[in-house]
Amino acid sequence: DIVMTQSPDSLAVSLGERATINCKSSQSVFYSSRSKNYLAWYQQKPGQPPKLLIYWASTRESGVPDRFSGSGSGTDFTLTISSLQAEDVAVYYCQQYYTTPYTFGQGTKLEIK
Amino acid sequence: EVQLLESGGGLIQPGGSLRLSCVASGFTFSNYALSWVRQAPGKGLEWVSDITGSGGSAYYANSVKGRFTVSRDNSKNTLYLQLNSLRDEDTAIYYCARDGYGSESYPFDHWGQGTLVTVSS
Repeated sequence: DIVMTQSPDSLAVSLGERATINCKSSQSVFYSSRSKNYLAWYQQKPGQPPKLLIYWASTRESGVPDRFSGSGSGTDFTLTISSLQAEDVAVYYCQQYYTTPYTFGQGTKLEIK
Repeated sequence: EVQLLESGGGLIQPGGSLRLSCVASGFTFSNYALSWVRQAPGKGLEWVSDITGSGGSAYYANSVKGRFTVSRDNSKNTLYLQLNSLRDEDTAIYYCARDGYGSESYPFDHWGQGTLVTVSS
C-alpha cells in the first residue's frame, strides 16, 4: 500500500499570511504515460464531508479560490494557501488515487493564530 | 447538480450486519466508478471500497476484505455496501463519493453527507 504522510499535523497561521502543508507518498504517484501525478487535496470543515480542492497535484477544482495552489511531483507535494482567510480553518487531507487501496494522509489541522 | 444521499446507518451489535445505500442523481450513473470512504469519530479518512461503473470490478481495503461487499444497481442509480461481521472499529461515518470516469482513475469530486454506523453492545 502507498503510505501518505502529511506534515505538520497542525498549523496555526495569522490571517493574511501564507500556510503551507506538505505531503509525502511512500512511492511515486506519477503515471509517466499520462504525465500526471495522481494526487489530490481535500478540505474538511467540522460536520461536513470533504471537499475536493486540487487534483492532478496542481489543478484547482472549479470554484476553489485562487489563493489555494498545489505543487510537487513524484513523491513530494505541497498545498499552499497564499493569504489565509477565516473560512479556511479546516482539516486538509492529501490522497493518492494512483492505485487501490486509495490512501489518505492523516490530515493537517489548520487554525488561526 | 450532482447529489449523493446515503442511508442505512444505525446502531448495531458486534457481529451484526447492515446494508448502506447511496442514491445518486445529476449525472449518468453507470459512467462513473464510486467509492465508500469512512471516518471514525475524531479521526481521519479511510477509503473502504470502490466499484467500477459497470459493477464488473470491485476493490476493498484490507481492513474490510471478506466482511464488506460493494454492489450497485445502475437501473436505480444506487450504490450499496453490505457490512457483515461488524466490529467496534467499524464505527464511523460512511460516505459515498464519485470517482473514476470510464477506465480512468479520478479524485473524489462529489461526496454525500454520510451515514453513521455505530457498532456497540
